[in-house]
Amino acid sequence: SQQGEEDPQALSIQEGENATMNCSYKTSINNLQWYRQNSGRGLVHLILIRSNEREKHSGRLRVTLDTSKKSSSLLITASRAADTASYFCATDERYGGSQGNLIFGKGTKLSVKP
Amino acid sequence: GAGVSQSPSNKVTEKGKDVELRCDPISGHTALYWYRQSLGQGLEFLIYFQGNSAPDKSGLPSDRFSAERTGGSVSTLTIQRTQQEDSAVYLCASSAPGYAPYSSLHFGNGTRLTVT
Repeated sequence: SQQGEEDPQALSIQEGENATMNCSYKTSINNLQWYRQNSGRGLVHLILIRSNEREKHSGRLRVTLDTSKKSSSLLITASRAADTASYFCATDERYGGSQGNLIFGKGTKLSVKP
Repeated sequence: GAGVSQSPSNKVTEKGKDVELRCDPISGHTALYWYRQSLGQGLEFLIYFQGNSAPDKSGLPSDRFSAERTGGSVSTLTIQRTQQEDSAVYLCASSAPGYAPYSSLHFGNGTRLTVT
């Protein structure tokens, strides 16, 4: 089942610019997580935001969560060429299934040009 | 310490053959996940193991797919009578003990399966 949906599907920016990616989901959640995937590699966890949190920072990353709109955004400030990767949001399901099962979206492919 | 290890990294098989994919999670991690990622796509959930609980198999696409986790550690994903549509990267992830909804996943680099 598809839970998170990121947009845009692809984003191309210049080094130094900010990159904003959005994620929408369908059900109630315990948390929302963002992951990064470099080409040919596994995913790396970036940040987790709980359903009772509205904003969280980690270095150049800023994540917001709006549970009323069932949406989240990931902002990468002062982007670098090394930020080029695909970014995925993931949410747990609070209906049916077993808690802890993380469902991923299709990702945003970010390209940062030097 | 060592991360999640998957083997083989690449597997080419003929249609109709069975394949086994292996995952060694991080030591002490109680939860283990298998996902499938087709080219340029997101992750498709396959199966989830948590401690000694019955696994959540709700994502397995057909009865040709099965997975085991022995001794709460190593896991094997088996695909029987492989089909060309099974071609994908199979990713394994594990997470530490604790309340699962607040745990982050640690991923291996995946096994790229090609069915010819």
